[in-house]
Order: sequence, then structure tokens, then C-alpha cells
Amino acid sequence: DIVMTQSPFSLAVSEGEMVTINCKSSQSLLSSGNQKNYLAWYQQKPGQSPKLLIYYASTRQSGVPDRFIGSGSGTDFTLTISDVQAEDLADYYCLQHYSYPLTFGSGTKLEIK
Amino acid sequence: EVQLVESGGGLVQPGRSMKLSCAASGFTFSNYGMAWVRQAPTKGLEWVATISYDGSSTYYRDSVKGRFTISRDNAKSTLYLQMNSLRSEDTATYYCTIPTEDYWGQGVMVTVSS
Repeated sequence: DIVMTQSPFSLAVSEGEMVTINCKSSQSLLSSGNQKNYLAWYQQKPGQSPKLLIYYASTRQSGVPDRFIGSGSGTDFTLTISDVQAEDLADYYCLQHYSYPLTFGSGTKLEIK
Repeated sequence: EVQLVESGGGLVQPGRSMKLSCAASGFTFSNYGMAWVRQAPTKGLEWVATISYDGSSTYYRDSVKGRFTISRDNAKSTLYLQMNSLRSEDTATYYCTIPTEDYWGQGVMVTVSS
């Protein structure tokens, strides 16, 4: 099974600041066939279902603000949120869908000071 | 508008069974693989099972293999999760989803307790 190690567990920032969330996979998520990384990022606000932010490691889902940026390849991935807004208060998860069983990171709780 | 509406949750005793349903609309259900993802209270997301678009392939996490069965009825645009021999650790909100398409239901709570 692919283990997703996500960090940090939580972070608190002021509006306007930048945050980075990391996910490291125990195996490469890069497909040799299409050169895509099978890594997605989700946002889950309190009491809501998850929402897809980023797929293929760096492609922003339609409608997602451009302050959400995904980067990385192979085994190391980062979600960067620039100019954090109060509405970004949420839990964030990475997901590898390269192979079964699909595995999520343990989550990062973003709090706004 | 895409809608995934789960039903069938509730309180069940350990060792008993429960069947979840997910009614899909707003997209061509038979074109997509579907999944169940769960979230225990105050915990993170956990993938449970996936079924291919035509039902020919299924995948499960180890902790539910042999106890849970994912199935679908493409004529009814409905996804199912039959859960047998339920354990307290199965207590969670269960989401019907196509995670890579950002299609998620609102979730249904399953509580396994005596």
C-alpha cells in the first residue's frame, strides 16, 4: 500500500499570509505512460463534504481561486495557499489515486488567527 | 446539476448489517467508476471501496474485505454499499463520490453501537 505522509498536522496564519502543506508518498505517483502524477488535493470546510482543489498534482479544478497552487512530482507534493482568506478555514487532504488501495493523507487543519 | 444523494444510514448493533444507497443524477452514471469514502467522527478521510463503470471490477480496503460489497445498478443510476458484520470502528459518515471529478454526496451517518 502507498503511505501518504502529510504535514503539518495544523497551522494558524493571519489573513494575507501564505501557507504550504506537504504530502510525501512512499512510492512514486508518476505514471510513465502519460507523465501525470496521480495526486489530488481536497478542502473540507466544517460540516461540508470535501471539495476537489487540485488534480494531477498541479491542475486547478474549475472555479478554484488561483491562490491555490499545487506542485511536486514523484513522491513529494505541496499545496500552497497564497494570500490566505478567512474562508480558507478548513481541513486539507491529499489523495493518491495511482494504485489501490487509494490512500489519503492524514489531513492539515488550517486556522485563521 | 450533479447530485449524489445517500440514504440508508442510522444506528445498527455490532455484527448486524446495513445497506447504503446513493442515487445519482445530472451526469451519465454508467460512464463513471464510483467510490465510497468514509470519515469517522473527528477523523480524516478514508477510502472504502470502488466499482468500475460497468461493475466488472471492484476494489476494497483490507479492513472491509469480505464484509462489505459495493455494487451498482446503472439502469437506476444507483450505487450501493452492503455492509455486513459491522463493527464499532465502521462508525462514520459515508460519502458516495467520484473523487477525481469532484462529485460528492452530502454523506450519510452510520453508527455501530449496542
